[in-house]
Order: sequence, then C-alpha cells, then structure tokens
Amino acid sequence: QVQLQESGPGLVKPSETLSLTCTVSGGSVNNNAFYWGWIRQAPGKGLEWVGSIFYNGSTYYNPSLKSRLTISVETSKNEFSLNLSSATAADTAVYYCVREGILIAFGEFEYYYGMDVWGQGTTVSVSS
Amino acid sequence: EIVLTQSPGTLSLSPGERATLSCRTSQSVITKTYISWYQQKPGQAPRLLIYNGFNRATGIPDRFSGSGSGTDFSLTISSLEPEDFAVYFCQQFGTSLVTFGQGTKLEIK
Repeated sequence: QVQLQESGPGLVKPSETLSLTCTVSGGSVNNNAFYWGWIRQAPGKGLEWVGSIFYNGSTYYNPSLKSRLTISVETSKNEFSLNLSSATAADTAVYYCVREGILIAFGEFEYYYGMDVWGQGTTVSVSS
Repeated sequence: EIVLTQSPGTLSLSPGERATLSCRTSQSVITKTYISWYQQKPGQAPRLLIYNGFNRATGIPDRFSGSGSGTDFSLTISSLEPEDFAVYFCQQFGTSLVTFGQGTKLEIK
C-alpha cells in the first residue's frame, strides 16, 4: 500500500525558506490518477491546504501563500517537495503530505476522490 | 474562495447515540465541486471518511454516512462507538482550490 513520509528541518529561522520533501513508497508519483499535496496545521488549529501538484508539474496553490510557495515533483526519486520562502512564526505548523485521488478523462478533470493517503506529519517551527 | 462553516464547534454525546455534524458552504456547491469529510484523533494525521458528499472511503464503517446538497452538508454517525470521539473536518475541492471547515470536536458526554 502507498505510504508517504515527510522529511526536512524541524527548525527554520525567520525570513529563511522552509523546505520539506515527501517520499512516496508503494506507488508512483508518475501517475495521472492523483494530485500530491501539502496540508498544514498550526498548533491547536484546523487544517489549511498549502498546495498540490500533478505528476506533469502542474501546480495549484493556496492564494494566500502563492507568492512565497513552490511545489515541485521529482519523478525519478518518487518524491515531491515544498519550498515556502520568507518564513515567519505564522508558518509554524505540522505539515502533512497527502495523496488526492482524481479522475482525468480526455485531458479534463472529472472527479475528486478526496485525500485518501496521509503522511504522519512533520513539525516545523519558525524561530530564531 | 468557498468558505466552509462547521457546526456545532463541540458536540457532547454518549456512546450509542446518533451524531449529526453540519458543514455549510458560502456558495452553492456546483458541478465538479466536491465535499469530503475527515476524522482526526489527537496526535494523528486525519483520515478520509467520506468523499463526494456521500461515498464512504475504503474501510470506513457503515455507521458513517454523508449527505447534503447546495450549501448544506452533514456527516452522520448512526451509533457512536468509543473510537469515534475525535475532531471532524469537512473539505471542499473545486476549480483546483481546496478549503477546510474549522472542525467539530465530538466529545464524550
């Protein structure tokens, strides 16, 4: 079965770039049946969608983060990554990587199956 | 951006009781906009329960059901088991954007 594992620094200094990688095992990122996404959860708060990427590199970002966010996919390594520049304390959160099931037919999006696989999450603190 | 508002914030019930959680969207959910529900227990990642409003995800017990249309959606747990006490989030996906509700905490009365 597919498993996702987040990795990256647990502590980032303010104004620096927060970088995380999600390694996919038991399946391939090079698959047009899924988006690969990032969700974060600030301490004691709800879930916030960060952004998602398709295997061909098409990206979909939270408008509130778009100016600082880059999500990329490396099919040869079977992983995808998040880079969030100019980090502030407000970026402190548990970051989850997720798999989103979709149906693409004749090149068009047709159906969404939800976030069916989640990583265990990694805590990132932004602090000097 | 579609805003999702969940109610109540906290729901206190006993095992065996029926739970109904609400999720209201700021705009009517139209074609190719999808509502999902997730359960999160302390210290764990969320788990997908329901997709497209009413479809149970793989392995989800049939005591969980989703319904709704337009701007009003609900998650019902027909008879609460001890392991069902958790936080529940609704989520919408549409035009390649995702938003979550703020969550409903289901606690033991």
